[in-house]
Amino acid sequence: GDSVTQTEGLVTLTKGLPVMLNCTYQTTYSPFLFWYVQHLNEAPKLLLKSSTDNKRTEHQGFYATLHKSSSSFHLQKSSVQLSDSALYFCALSDYNQGKLIFGQGTKLSIKP
Amino acid sequence: EAAVTQSPRNKVAVTGGKVTLSCNQTNNHNNMYWYRQDTGHGLRLIHYSYGAGSTEKGDIPDGYKASRPSQENFSLILELATPSQTSVYFCASGDPQGATEVFFGKGTRLTVV
Repeated sequence: GDSVTQTEGLVTLTKGLPVMLNCTYQTTYSPFLFWYVQHLNEAPKLLLKSSTDNKRTEHQGFYATLHKSSSSFHLQKSSVQLSDSALYFCALSDYNQGKLIFGQGTKLSIKP
Repeated sequence: EAAVTQSPRNKVAVTGGKVTLSCNQTNNHNNMYWYRQDTGHGLRLIHYSYGAGSTEKGDIPDGYKASRPSQENFSLILELATPSQTSVYFCASGDPQGATEVFFGKGTRLTVV
């Protein structure tokens, strides 16, 4: 079946450093990929989305590129801030069905 | 912004009892979803719906039923609650097949004792 894999459960970084959170997926259909962010005691909210191969998408300083050849959609930021501390989810949907599945999530913790 | 409202926000239930979690959306979205969130497991899809009258099984449907009586409302039903169903449950609505955003409710914290 379809699946999304996030390999890091917890990433701890010092403010100002770059970050990359990994996301790979498996599917037989043409995918839409999303990154959602969830701050403490809040609901998840959309951060980024893409369905275009090899095109970089950016929002709020974060960016990601969908690579269909490697089934990846890694999230990056060049300089993390304290306010970036949150739980980040990669998610997968398809054009026809609209079934939306999430990875296990990566907790990003930023230290001063 | 799109609105998804869940009720109750907190619930304590007895093992073997029936629990109904309700969700209402005012966005006129076709799709609605129920997820549970547990540490180490992320957001796992329980049931989803394409519109009024439809329900589909997600990845972890066992022990749960769903009902979509109207475009706006989507309920999750635990006929015989068990302690393993203690979790935070999120409802969401959207049309992700158009690469559009899915909007989440604020969650329901369910404790089964």
